[in-house]
Amino acid sequence: EAQVTQNPRYLITVTGKKLTVTCSQNMNHEYMSWYRQDPGLGLRQIYYSMNVEVTDKGDVPEGYKVSRKEKRNFPLILESPSPNQTSLYFCASSLGTSGHSTDTQYFGPGTRLTVL
Amino acid sequence: GENVEQHPSTLSVQEGDSAVIKCTYSDSASNYFPWYKQELGKRPQLIIDIRSNVGEKKDQRIAVTLNKTAKHFSLHITETQPEDSAVYFCAATGNQFYFGTGTSLTVIP
Repeated sequence: EAQVTQNPRYLITVTGKKLTVTCSQNMNHEYMSWYRQDPGLGLRQIYYSMNVEVTDKGDVPEGYKVSRKEKRNFPLILESPSPNQTSLYFCASSLGTSGHSTDTQYFGPGTRLTVL
Repeated sequence: GENVEQHPSTLSVQEGDSAVIKCTYSDSASNYFPWYKQELGKRPQLIIDIRSNVGEKKDQRIAVTLNKTAKHFSLHITETQPEDSAVYFCAATGNQFYFGTGTSLTVIP
């Protein structure tokens, strides 16, 4: 089944404790992205990647890192989480034809992160 | 960067009526405009999209129109049903995705 998976789905942690949220897709998509969703603010793009070893900052990259060593995986790393990073996080992927993002984007199930 | 504004933030309609949600964008380089539906506790799902070389697209009860000159695009849902109740997001993109802040649609039976 074609899908985007994220782990963990729920995470409660404390300020400063490094964490990684994994994202994987099995559709051979080139474009992958991370978003955070906060009430009243919609979805905001954190980082995106148009292909392996290529990553770019989105609208709200501060406090986050990503890597794209393999096509299927795009982990989100919070080196020193803070309470303002408490949010619902979504990973997404799309075909990325010709290096563009203008294709149907498929979202993972979401990760609800609470930083105390 | 791009700025996407979405209105209204909440919308209530009677079952069978039409619903219209409007978005404006600022960057003329944006060339792809998808609309997503998000039900409570679930992930966003694409319902319709339009590219900048097209002015209108329709899929059954859902249609999207794009006015590149005015930099606005709209979602039209006809013959609304209770299962259309959800939050709808518009987005504008070139390489980076910019989302509107969402419209909570309630269809009253």
